[in-house]
Amino acid sequence: GENVEQHPSTLSVQEGDSAVIKCTYSDSASNYFPWYKQELGKGPQLIIDIRSNVGEKKDQRIAVTLNKTAKHFSLHITETQPEDSAVYFCAAKGTSYDKVIFGPGTSLSVIP
Amino acid sequence: DGGITQSPKYLFRKEGQNVTLSCEQNLNHDAMYWYRQDPGQGLRLIYYSQIVNDFQKGDIAEGYSVSREKKESFPLTVTSAQKNPTAFYLCAIGTGGSPLHFGNGTRLTVT
Repeated sequence: GENVEQHPSTLSVQEGDSAVIKCTYSDSASNYFPWYKQELGKGPQLIIDIRSNVGEKKDQRIAVTLNKTAKHFSLHITETQPEDSAVYFCAAKGTSYDKVIFGPGTSLSVIP
Repeated sequence: DGGITQSPKYLFRKEGQNVTLSCEQNLNHDAMYWYRQDPGQGLRLIYYSQIVNDFQKGDIAEGYSVSREKKESFPLTVTSAQKNPTAFYLCAIGTGGSPLHFGNGTRLTVT
């Protein structure tokens, strides 16, 4: 089955700097890669997603890149702000199975 | 999240008791999911339902049961057979196996 790894597990950055979270997946048939942000005490929120026919997608300060050959995908947050502090989860889904598989999460702290 | 209501927010039970967690949605999505989250871990799928009166086991269904009698409701029962029931439980709605919106969770503590 699919396995998703995520690094780093914790990340601290200064406000205004960029943050990058990287994920790898094992099933080459995976074709959908969502990212979720979970603030303390709340449920995760879908913040961006990318499909396998696209290499990069941007939404304001957030971007996701996908390297299908290497089975890597990454979340990039530019000009980080304190409100970006949260736990971020990557996930993968393919046609061979009917549910997303989540990575273990990255706790991001943005230091003012 | 707007449109998905999980209740209660905190729940305390004694070991050996069954407990039912509520999840209601008014976003008209067919698919609903239950996940379990433990500290420092990702989300693990317990059960999911893609249509009324039908549901499938996820990766960790043992000790749990669900029903889907109405499109709006997908309650989860944590039975006494679940060996480590203390956790944060998240309900979600979505499509095609992918959750789009999560509720704000129920934190269950069993002592």
